[in-house]
Amino acid sequence: GENVEQHPSTLSVQEGDSAVIKCTYSDSASNYFPWYKQELGKRPQLIIDIRSNVGEKKDQRIAVTLNKTAKHFSLHITETQPEDSAVYFCAATRDSNYQLIWGAGTKLIIKP
Amino acid sequence: NAGVTQTPKFRILKIGQSMTLQCTQDMNHNYMYWYRQDPGMGLKLIYYSVGAGITDKGEVPNGYNVSRSTTEDFPLRLELAAPSQTSVYFCASSSTSGSGETQYFGPGTRLLVL
Repeated sequence: GENVEQHPSTLSVQEGDSAVIKCTYSDSASNYFPWYKQELGKRPQLIIDIRSNVGEKKDQRIAVTLNKTAKHFSLHITETQPEDSAVYFCAATRDSNYQLIWGAGTKLIIKP
Repeated sequence: NAGVTQTPKFRILKIGQSMTLQCTQDMNHNYMYWYRQDPGMGLKLIYYSVGAGITDKGEVPNGYNVSRSTTEDFPLRLELAAPSQTSVYFCASSSTSGSGETQYFGPGTRLLVL
């Protein structure tokens, strides 16, 4: 079955710098890759997603890139702000699967 | 449109007690999920349902049971609570299977078993 690995587990960046979180997946049939953000004490919420027929997707300061050959995808946050501090989860799945396979999460700390 | 709601918000149980965690969604979603999240950890799927009357086990189903008699409701039953079930429980729903549709999460139920 699918396995998703996420790195790093903790990432500390200076406010205004960029942050990159990487995930690798094992099932070459996976075709949908969402990213969720979970603020402290809150529920996870979708922030961006990408399908396998697209190499990159942007939404303001957030972007996701996908490398199908290497089977990895990354979340890029530019010009980080204090409100970006949270735990970020990646996930992967394919059309025939009812479940999202989740990464272990990355705690992003924005230093003032 | 309230989305996904969960009750209670917080509960303390004694070892061996039982309880039901309630989950309701008003988005007419077919797919519903129960996750648990231990402190500082990721999400683990307990059970899921693809429609009324259909449920299946996830990664960590032992000690739990579910039912899905309506599209809106997906209660999670804990029988004989154990300290290892101390966790935050999230219910989620989506309109189709995992590929391409957002999972909407409820606010969570924090459970402490002593």
